[in-house]
Amino acid sequence: GQQVMQIPQYQHVQEGEDFTTYCNSSTTLSNIQWYKQRPGGHPVFLIQLVKSGEVKKQKRLTFQFGEAKKNSSLHITATQTTDVGTYFCAGPSSSNDYKLSFGAGTTVTVRA
Amino acid sequence: GAVVSQHPSWVICKSGTSVKIECRSLDFQATTMFWYRQFPKQSLMLMATSNEGSKATYEQGVEKDKFLINHASLTLSTLTVTSAHPEDSSFYICSANHGRRSDEQFFGPGTRLTVL
Repeated sequence: GQQVMQIPQYQHVQEGEDFTTYCNSSTTLSNIQWYKQRPGGHPVFLIQLVKSGEVKKQKRLTFQFGEAKKNSSLHITATQTTDVGTYFCAGPSSSNDYKLSFGAGTTVTVRA
Repeated sequence: GAVVSQHPSWVICKSGTSVKIECRSLDFQATTMFWYRQFPKQSLMLMATSNEGSKATYEQGVEKDKFLINHASLTLSTLTVTSAHPEDSSFYICSANHGRRSDEQFFGPGTRLTVL
């Protein structure tokens, strides 16, 4: 089945710096979703990308979907302590579009 | 809108007992709910897809007789961990698709199960 790989697993960032987390799928995705899970919390939907090459922004977060719809990235500028958490990408399972296959997640910590 | 609740938020039980976890969609009807398990510092692993009015679909490697799922109504799905053992200790999270926004999943707050 479809697998979603995500790197890096951990990202320790100086406050104010930028960072990027990357997501790759073994197969073409109809869409890709990003979720954020704060420490001790549950995943919260951030965004969904559907179109090839799509770029969406949410304040300091920029999400990109690759032209081949097999990879995606999340770029955060001017990292703040509120950005702490684990960011997951997720793509629909090949057998059922409503089922999601989650990447391993990138856990972000911020040093002030 | 699109709020999912879970109960209990945490539970500690003795080995061999059964534990029921409830997942409710509070302000929408969810024909499909999903049950995940998450071990510390790991990703979410889908256990099963729960469909209202029909049998759940389990992922490979998940024992259906151990993890009983019932989706009795459009707003409630339950997961029962039967004869729990310490290795079943984990964070169990449910999610649901909103009817009109079918791709996005709304997650419950999770249930932390500790089996002694």
